[in-house]
Amino acid sequence: DAGITQSPRHKVTETGTPVTLRCHQTENHRYMYWYRQDPGHGLRLIHYSYGVKDTDKGEVSDGYSVSRSKTEDFLLTLESATSSQTSVYFCAISPGQSQETQYFGPGTRLLVL
Amino acid sequence: KQEVTQIPAALSVPEGENLVLNCSFTDSAIYNLQWFRQDPGKGLTSLLLIQSSQREQTSGRLNASLDKSSGRSTLYIAASQPGDSATYLCASGGYGNKLVFGAGTILRVKS
Repeated sequence: DAGITQSPRHKVTETGTPVTLRCHQTENHRYMYWYRQDPGHGLRLIHYSYGVKDTDKGEVSDGYSVSRSKTEDFLLTLESATSSQTSVYFCAISPGQSQETQYFGPGTRLLVL
Repeated sequence: KQEVTQIPAALSVPEGENLVLNCSFTDSAIYNLQWFRQDPGKGLTSLLLIQSSQREQTSGRLNASLDKSSGRSTLYIAASQPGDSATYLCASGGYGNKLVFGAGTILRVKS
């Protein structure tokens, strides 16, 4: 299994509070991704990183920010959590070439009350 | 904007049947097409990756095909087993290996 962990694995928070999710990898892969998974929508890309300090927006980036100060860590921040951000969040890593797949973490279940 | 659709949304079959899961995509300018498996409450596990220049890939009882011109991919599972029960997701891969996912097919194999 790819060395990828997510923390926390479960979180309950209140509307309006900031929340930070952490993704940590031990594979030294260049690319890291954050997705959210909601019933009926599959997974949707929030943000991705193609190197340290290099990030870009995905399909559903509003209300989220990211940071990558080290190769192994990719942080996702919900600046002011809303109930619509209740979801399961997955981190993934990849060497980035088209012939390489993505390896997914175990996910973080976030409930915003 | 790429859109990926999977049919059927759910499928229930008796053990031993061969089955086909379908995936379609609207933009044929893809780098690859990937199939994943997801067990309840778990992350995704990669099954097969077909590069845009390839027509199919095989792994054990799984065979995935890709027809870029028609925007279609199929995942064929031979001699299904109860352990194959899971959600199967297809995803089109773009630049930087960014993925656009379908909503998935929930497969149940009855013993």
